[in-house]
Amino acid sequence: AQKITQTQPGMFVQEKEAVTLDCTYDTSDPSYGLFWYKQPSSGEMIFLIYQGSYDQQNATEGRYSLNFQKARKSANLVISASQLGDSAMYFCAMRGVRGGATNKLIFGTGTLLAVQP
Amino acid sequence: DVKVTQSSRYLVKRTGEKVFLECVQDMDHENMFWYRQDPGLGLRLIYFSYDVKMKEKGDIPEGYSVSREKKERFSLILESASTNQTSMYLCASSSLVNSANEQFFGPGTRLTVL
Repeated sequence: AQKITQTQPGMFVQEKEAVTLDCTYDTSDPSYGLFWYKQPSSGEMIFLIYQGSYDQQNATEGRYSLNFQKARKSANLVISASQLGDSAMYFCAMRGVRGGATNKLIFGTGTLLAVQP
Repeated sequence: DVKVTQSSRYLVKRTGEKVFLECVQDMDHENMFWYRQDPGLGLRLIYFSYDVKMKEKGDIPEGYSVSREKKERFSLILESASTNQTSMYLCASSSLVNSANEQFFGPGTRLTVL
């Protein structure tokens, strides 16, 4: 069965510092995609970054990067130079081959990040 | 700009009522999804649809049904609301076109069943 695990329920980070949010996954699919979403207190889910299982390089989007370690089945999100506006819930998600054309996602339980001034 | 809208941000209903949650997307996406979000459980898929009039059960379909009569609209129906259906409901849509096929989410509906 496919599964996403986020072991950090909550984290603090000082403004301007980097922070790593952990995500491990379990799948037997040969091809899959990994996503990170941000959910501020307002509730909307914001797509941050995507990594395909066959991508050779780690994905980056501005201050976000995905530390993809395929052998360890981990897909950690790194946020550089944290800002107060980064305070939010962060969800890791996976789409497997079984998702097929419908792009079904499986989500982790989330990590609540608090950026301190 | 990509847009998914949901009919209500907050909703309060009584046990036994029939509840309709509406979701509309303006991106001509083929796929649409309904999730519920509960603390400590993340997002769980209730139902999804990959085409008009097509639907498939997700992980927790019990007590829910859906309707997709038009491509842009996906409705979640609680036939007889119960208190354990108090939750945040999130609608999403995605396309088959781009490689990431990321899902775009609506703002959510916080439903309370009394």
